[in-house]
Amino acid sequence: AAGVIQSPRHLIKEKRETATLKCYPIPRHDTVYWYQQGPGQDPQFLISFYEKMQSDKGSIPDRFSAQQFSDYHSELNMSSLELGDSALYFCASSLDGEQGMWNTEAFFGQGTRLTVV
Amino acid sequence: KQEVTQIPAALSVPEGENLVLNCSFTDSAIYNLQWFRQDPGKGLTSLLLIQSSQREQTSGRLNASLDKSSGRSTLYIAASQPGDSATYLCAVRLETSGSRLTFGEGTQLTVNP
Repeated sequence: AAGVIQSPRHLIKEKRETATLKCYPIPRHDTVYWYQQGPGQDPQFLISFYEKMQSDKGSIPDRFSAQQFSDYHSELNMSSLELGDSALYFCASSLDGEQGMWNTEAFFGQGTRLTVV
Repeated sequence: KQEVTQIPAALSVPEGENLVLNCSFTDSAIYNLQWFRQDPGKGLTSLLLIQSSQREQTSGRLNASLDKSSGRSTLYIAASQPGDSATYLCAVRLETSGSRLTFGEGTQLTVNP
């Protein structure tokens, strides 16, 4: 079965550079989420999209932005990178149907490991 | 603010033992609760999803229960195997927080051969 695909799997950037992470949700899934997981920490919610519209926003820095495209893939853009941005970034997707019915299973990708040096 | 707590933080057991992992949450107004497994440096694998109206779900050697009113869930692993060694995370979807999942800090399980 198709899973959530993230690219790249690993990324090394220098401070103040920019990075773009990509996520391809499971086909037909209408909701995409982004999470950040620091070393030894639980995943922290950044932002989500339902049917290409932002549906929820968490602790996402102003230096980060995200969008979902017409083919449902999503990109997380990170600018002015800081050492503290080094983390695993996960994308997840779910099929939630009518907005507000957040009762379906979320599936996560393998993550992108971002290292800022 | 919803808080999700998992106890114990770490657990080491001999192979073959049955074990229980605990998850508690402060706000009982949830859509559902999901249990995940995470291997070191890897992604999150969904194990079980329990809707707020359900009491338990089973998949193979795994059984998850939910007591929504008391804000508790348990993950029962029968006949543990070394391959079960991983971090287990529970996450809830709050009715008041839309689509996001709020995670606990996880239980790191080691099953010794």
